[in-house]
Amino acid sequence: GENVEQHPSTLSVQEGDSAVIKCTYSDSASNYFPWYKQELGKRPQLIIDIRSNVGEKKDQRIAVTLNKTAKHFSLHITETQPEDSAVYFCAASSNSGYALNFGKGTSLLVTP
Amino acid sequence: DTAVSQTPKYLVTQMGNDKSIKCEQNLGHDTMYWYKQDSKKFLKIMFSYNNKELIINETVPNRFSPKSPDKAHLNLHINSLELGDSAVYFCASSPRGSYGYTFGSGTRLTVV
Repeated sequence: GENVEQHPSTLSVQEGDSAVIKCTYSDSASNYFPWYKQELGKRPQLIIDIRSNVGEKKDQRIAVTLNKTAKHFSLHITETQPEDSAVYFCAASSNSGYALNFGKGTSLLVTP
Repeated sequence: DTAVSQTPKYLVTQMGNDKSIKCEQNLGHDTMYWYKQDSKKFLKIMFSYNNKELIINETVPNRFSPKSPDKAHLNLHINSLELGDSAVYFCASSPRGSYGYTFGSGTRLTVV
């Protein structure tokens, strides 16, 4: 199946700094790339997504960029706050169109 | 109203037992999924159903059998439980295909 690589596995930043998480995917048929945030003991929740016909999307402090040629996409969080601390997952739609394949997650810690 | 609800939330059982997890969504979505999240937080697709039809059946042991009596429900039955089955199992639904997943709150299964 689709292989989604995510880096780094852990990321520690100071409050107010920016955080960047990067993902690559292998299937050129993938056309939808969401990002999920999972707080400890909670369900993953969609924070932003991008489709293959768009290069960049922004929602307040969060932005996602997509490079289809290179098959990579990134999550950017600016002005980080302690409540941004969580595990973040990238995902790519499968070639069947009926599932998401997830990266292995990035544990983000924002220290005050 | 909970959009995607799973029961039970916690399940502790002995090796060799058979157990079921239930999932219901009230969002009117067409597609439902089961994901397994292991101790390293990796989210792996197990099954995908669209309008009660099985679409994806990843390399999951035959001891796992999903059932979708209607498009609002997707249950998971597990026979002869093994220690390695211990994980959090998430149900999810989406309007169509991969887009706009909503996850349930998860079922933490512990096999002892």
